[in-house]
Amino acid sequence: QSALTQPASVSGSPGQSITISCTGTSSDIGNSNLVSWYQQHPGKAPKIIIYEGHKRPSGVSSRFSGSKSGNTASLTISGLQAEDEADFYCCSYADNWVFGGGTKLTVL
Amino acid sequence: QLQLQESGPGLVKPSETLSLTCTVSGGSISSSNYYWGWIRQPPGKGLEWIGSIYYSGNTYYNPSLKSRVTISVDTSKSQVSLKLSSVTAADTAVYYCARSVTLYWYFDLWGRGTLVTVSS
Repeated sequence: QSALTQPASVSGSPGQSITISCTGTSSDIGNSNLVSWYQQHPGKAPKIIIYEGHKRPSGVSSRFSGSKSGNTASLTISGLQAEDEADFYCCSYADNWVFGGGTKLTVL
Repeated sequence: QLQLQESGPGLVKPSETLSLTCTVSGGSISSSNYYWGWIRQPPGKGLEWIGSIYYSGNTYYNPSLKSRVTISVDTSKSQVSLKLSSVTAADTAVYYCARSVTLYWYFDLWGRGTLVTVSS
């Protein structure tokens, strides 16, 4: 059970859009729509922002969106804001939970 | 408002057993809609799922940790417990208790986490 692959870091300027990829295999992401994304600010617990690949929990900004193609899931943040700066983790459920290594988002 | 609170020793010696408790307050631990899990995060590193349990006692464990992990539930106390045996410095991490929603299988509620350091 290997961790999902995410870029270590991404950056963008306020107002721009960025996309974070999450690559797995045909045994996890490729075989499941149960991909979730979490945002974690320093010193805080993770917070759910996307589940089932593209659904947003109540209260999560519509600037966050998710998608999946084959073995890769993606998180897009549009209209970047300073408060979006955080670590982001993808997670896939296929009998067990597997997390990605995390991506640090820097808002320039 | 349902809350999760982790508790337990912050320092454990190598080769000993790490024991943590997650207390659920403000709601029922016996709901059929949720599993209760443990997730850890070594300092400066990513998240790792350890295992999860249903209120009935049904458990799922990370295969890489399965030989050392035991998760149990006490519905009368609204508590979920984690035991990790034969710890090493690599087990130093912030340990989170988290609730996962059945059918959709995402973690919708997290505790604040507790740092456990493995050191002599």
